[in-house]
Amino acid sequence: DSGVTQTPKHLITATGQRVTLRCSPRSGDLSVYWYQQSLDQGLQFLIQYYNGEERAKGNILERFSAQQFPDLHSELNLSSLELGDSALYFCASSGDSGGGETQYFGPGTRLLVL
Amino acid sequence: AQKITQTQPGMFVQEKEAVTLDCTYDTSDPSYGLFWYKQPSSGEMIFLIYQGSYDQQNATEGRYSLNFQKARKSANLVISASQLGDSAMYFCAMREGLEANNLFFGTGTRLTVIP
Repeated sequence: DSGVTQTPKHLITATGQRVTLRCSPRSGDLSVYWYQQSLDQGLQFLIQYYNGEERAKGNILERFSAQQFPDLHSELNLSSLELGDSALYFCASSGDSGGGETQYFGPGTRLLVL
Repeated sequence: AQKITQTQPGMFVQEKEAVTLDCTYDTSDPSYGLFWYKQPSSGEMIFLIYQGSYDQQNATEGRYSLNFQKARKSANLVISASQLGDSAMYFCAMREGLEANNLFFGTGTRLTVIP
C-alpha cells in the first residue's frame, strides 16, 4: 500500500458527461501528480499541483482540469467525455515540488466512457 | 526521439532464475533520475527502485538491482530468484533535470514467471 488513495476505483459513464476523480496524497506529501494510462498513448503526465498551486502541466486536454485543496487532496475533473478518454487515471504524490523524491502512485481510477 | 525505450514487449523466466529487463534512455541533461515500477494485473503502480545520475554505485533493493551504464545510457532492471508473484508489467521511467516534475515512461515489459 503506497499510502495514496483514489476514489472511485471504477467509473462508467456516457459520452458528453462530466466526472470527478479524487486523490488523497500520502501523509505529509505536498505534491500531487495526475497521469493517464491508455492503450494507445501509454502512461502520460497530465498535471502537477504543489501545496495548492499548479506547478507543471503536461499533455492535459482543455476539457480536463484539476485542483488541490487546502487539505492537500486533489480532484481531476473530466468534462465533455469522449470514447478516447477511457483510461486508467493515476494520482501520485511526493514530498517535494519536483526533481527530488520518488513519486508514489495510488491504485488508479479506471474510467470507461460508453 | 523517445526518452525511454523498452525493447522487450514480453519476457519469460523460470521460477528461481534471474531475469534482466532492458531500458535505455535519452537525455542531454546531466541531472536525471531513473525509476522502475511494477504494475500487476490488478493495475496499481508499485515503486521498485531508483537510480540518480550522479550515483556512483548501482542501486539495489532486495531482489531488485539496477544495472546502470551511464555511457551506454542504459538502466536495466535485474530481478534475482524470480517468484510467481513477479509476473507483471514493468515500466522504466525517467525524471529529467533538477527541477523536473513529471516522469517519462517507457512502453513496459510484460514479465511472466513460469513455475
